[in-house]
Amino acid sequence: AQKITQTQPGMFVQEKEAVTLDCTYDTSDPSYGLFWYKQPSSGEMIFLIYQGSYDQQNATEGRYSLNFQKARKSANLVISASQLGDSAMYFCAMRLNNAGNMLTFGGGTRLMVKP
Amino acid sequence: DGGITQSPKYLFRKEGQNVTLSCEQNLNHDAMYWYRQDPGQGLRLIYYSQIVNDFQKGDIAEGYSVSREKKESFPLTVTSAQKNPTAFYLCASSMSDRASQPQHFGDGTRLSIL
Repeated sequence: AQKITQTQPGMFVQEKEAVTLDCTYDTSDPSYGLFWYKQPSSGEMIFLIYQGSYDQQNATEGRYSLNFQKARKSANLVISASQLGDSAMYFCAMRLNNAGNMLTFGGGTRLMVKP
Repeated sequence: DGGITQSPKYLFRKEGQNVTLSCEQNLNHDAMYWYRQDPGQGLRLIYYSQIVNDFQKGDIAEGYSVSREKKESFPLTVTSAQKNPTAFYLCASSMSDRASQPQHFGDGTRLSIL
């Protein structure tokens, strides 16, 4: 069975600095997708970035980039130039191509941006 | 605006009562999902549906039921058999079941026991 691990329950970062949120995954399936979501205190889940297992380049979306190291089975989220509005829970999730719609989530990391 | 609407935002259940959480989407997505989130934890899949009139159990389906009579709607019923229903419930949808398609979420429903 697939598994997602986020080892940082909480992190602080100074405003305008970069921060890396860790995510490791475990699957024997060669075809999968990795997602990062942001969950503010209001509760909604906001899709940030996607990385496919066969993608050659690391995904980037504005201030978000994904440091994808396939051999290490890691998919860390990098947020550049942190803003106060980045304070939220961040979830890493994985979806297998041959497992229907199953999206497996990690336990999340709470990011707090200090002014 | 296109999106996913969940209602109500807050819901209270009495002991032995069934309650139904609404989820409607106007994104023309085929697939819809229900997740449960407990405080400080990640999301766990309750049920999902890839097409109308078809749905599958997720990891924690016991005590829950769903229906998918219309493409736009995927209501979740929390039955009296669910002994610990207090949680945050999130509905999601996606274009297809391909791994590259992100799931888009509603704003959630907070369910509490009276």
